[in-house]
Amino acid sequence: AQKVTQAQTEISVVEKEDVTLDCVYETRDTTYYLFWYKQPPSGELVFLIRRNSFDEQNEISGRYSWNFQKSTSSFNFTITASQVVDSAVYFCALSVDISGTYKYIFGTGTRLKVLA
Amino acid sequence: DAGITQSPRYKITETGRQVTLMCHQTWSHSYMFWYRQDLGHGLRLIYYSAAADITDKGEVPDGYVVSRSKTENFPLTLESATRSQTSVYFCASSHTFTGEGYTFGSGTRLTVV
Repeated sequence: AQKVTQAQTEISVVEKEDVTLDCVYETRDTTYYLFWYKQPPSGELVFLIRRNSFDEQNEISGRYSWNFQKSTSSFNFTITASQVVDSAVYFCALSVDISGTYKYIFGTGTRLKVLA
Repeated sequence: DAGITQSPRYKITETGRQVTLMCHQTWSHSYMFWYRQDLGHGLRLIYYSAAADITDKGEVPDGYVVSRSKTENFPLTLESATRSQTSVYFCASSHTFTGEGYTFGSGTRLTVV
């Protein structure tokens, strides 16, 4: 079975603190994709990053970084020096081939509150 | 403008009424999807379509109907709305089979009273 677990329902930090959002996934497929999306209060889903299962290289984009570890089935997201604008719900998602079509399986999301 | 658009953005309807949520994309993407977002569940797949006239059920299809007579449109119909269908609905499209990612619409917030 395919599953994505975001165990942290809500996290509150003070501005400029670093914060890590955890994502653990389950799949038996060897080919899959992992994503992070941001959902700000306005409600849209903003794409942040995609990783395929063959690329374990970590990535940094500005204050954002991602740590993909197949050994622990984790794809964690770190925000360095958090800002109030980072306040949002963050979703981790797994894309796998189910019945001939790739579909997303989402985690339940982590609400991040960054306090000024 | 190119993109994927959902309408309406907000909708309030009464229990038992039929309501249709629209989704239109301008890229000629083959794949289209409907998800619902509920607190504690994340987003769950309702229906999807691999091409015009080809649709299939997702994780939570009960109470919903879809059609796809044209590649660019993928309407979602609630035949007899129930309060449990109060949710935010997202449409998405993808041009490839490879799972490299969707493009999401802005969502429709539906309230059933």
